[in-house]
Amino acid sequence: GAGVSQSPSNKVTEKGKDVELRCDPISGHTALYWYRQSLGQGLEFLIYFQGNSAPDKSGLPSDRFSAERTGGSVSTLTIQRTQQEDSAVYLCASSLNPRDIQYFGAGTRLSVL
Amino acid sequence: GNSVTQMEGPVTLSEEAFLTINCTYTATGYPSLFWYVQYPGEGLQLLLKATKADDKGSNKGFEATYRKETTSFHLEKGSVQVSDSAVYFCALRADSGYSTLTFGKGTMLLVSP
Repeated sequence: GAGVSQSPSNKVTEKGKDVELRCDPISGHTALYWYRQSLGQGLEFLIYFQGNSAPDKSGLPSDRFSAERTGGSVSTLTIQRTQQEDSAVYLCASSLNPRDIQYFGAGTRLSVL
Repeated sequence: GNSVTQMEGPVTLSEEAFLTINCTYTATGYPSLFWYVQYPGEGLQLLLKATKADDKGSNKGFEATYRKETTSFHLEKGSVQVSDSAVYFCALRADSGYSTLTFGKGTMLLVSP
């Protein structure tokens, strides 16, 4: 597809379970970003990839959160032992190069019961 | 650190009314400034941007001017339409370091016929 694709679009899980969120960036985009959108908190940066490396992980809220990117393309955000406060919309963005415009996917809405 | 403050919503207007959404920022140097829009059920879309002082970004009848002296980037539109109903996010990207975006908390705009 032409845009950033995220899956699943919605995920409901039980507290304590692990979840994986997937992001397919625009083909050829070298930079990839994960953000979290929570009620009342706005959009928070989580992690940034350049190629397969993550030079900036400063936004990950705890060690339960991790992410990887393979082949300079698809990225997976993993949340272990989910908590209710992890409920949010997780947004992925990509850009051709680090200083270029970021294009966003529609997000994954995570609900932890 | 960098931060963005924008007026809280919702902003409720009648069609053809004038719109202003205030945005101020804190950052060192000369950040780039952006307005993103999020329509219901969709991802963020770039609305306009400005990369240096006194630049005016414009798109779809919206405009914003980068004011270094007041550290502001207010969004304006002369005549809003029902289809402009969405959440608007002001954001900045630092002029050095990593290219992540720092967002405001978003302002919901509701336009009635």
